[in-house]
Amino acid sequence: DAGITQSPRHKVTETGTPVTLRCHQTENHRYMYWYRQDPGHGLRLIHYSYGVKDTDKGEVSDGYSVSRSKTEDFLLTLESATSSQTSVYFCAIRPSLAETSTDTQYFGPGTRLTVL
Amino acid sequence: DQQVKQNSPSLSVQEGRISILNCDYTNSMFDYFLWYKKYPAEGPTFLISISSIKDKNEDGRFTVFLNKSAKHLSLHIVPSQPGDSAVYFCAARGTSYGKLTFGQGTILTVHP
Repeated sequence: DAGITQSPRHKVTETGTPVTLRCHQTENHRYMYWYRQDPGHGLRLIHYSYGVKDTDKGEVSDGYSVSRSKTEDFLLTLESATSSQTSVYFCAIRPSLAETSTDTQYFGPGTRLTVL
Repeated sequence: DQQVKQNSPSLSVQEGRISILNCDYTNSMFDYFLWYKKYPAEGPTFLISISSIKDKNEDGRFTVFLNKSAKHLSLHIVPSQPGDSAVYFCAARGTSYGKLTFGQGTILTVHP
């Protein structure tokens, strides 16, 4: 258990509304990531963070923004939700190599988002 | 442009037999490869990894093989168990910020 929680776990919203998903970690890891999972595509990186206020785009960042004002929280915002953003969203953290013998990412339980 | 591909959407295996999951990549800058396992309604969990300087890594029933010249890796599970039934993703790490590129996933079903 890497101490990652995501909220909400499920959300249904309407097209055009803003939505914010939260990822919270308890272990002060520097690196955090947001992915979306869709059939036929695996997991695709949306945005990532390498420290407080340090964020950058991944491969599918259009329509999404992120913020990281505290080490423990990484927020993903859909500025104006569209049906194509219906997906399962996963947050991940990456411990430093000083903390683990294997360079890997640990994932949260996911948020299922439906945009009607 | 899919840089990491898992060409088999599904695989069905009998309990006790070997499961072989395959993954191909195109980017020669990838230096580290991982396999994740995912159950429904849960996040992916790390299974095993391999550095590009190695060609094999073993952990219990799981072995990952890397063929750099062919840009191909495979995951062997021996013996397969019904609890191994899940979606398996391969992932490759680029050189910046630990970012991962995932394949599409393979659904493994192990029949008792």
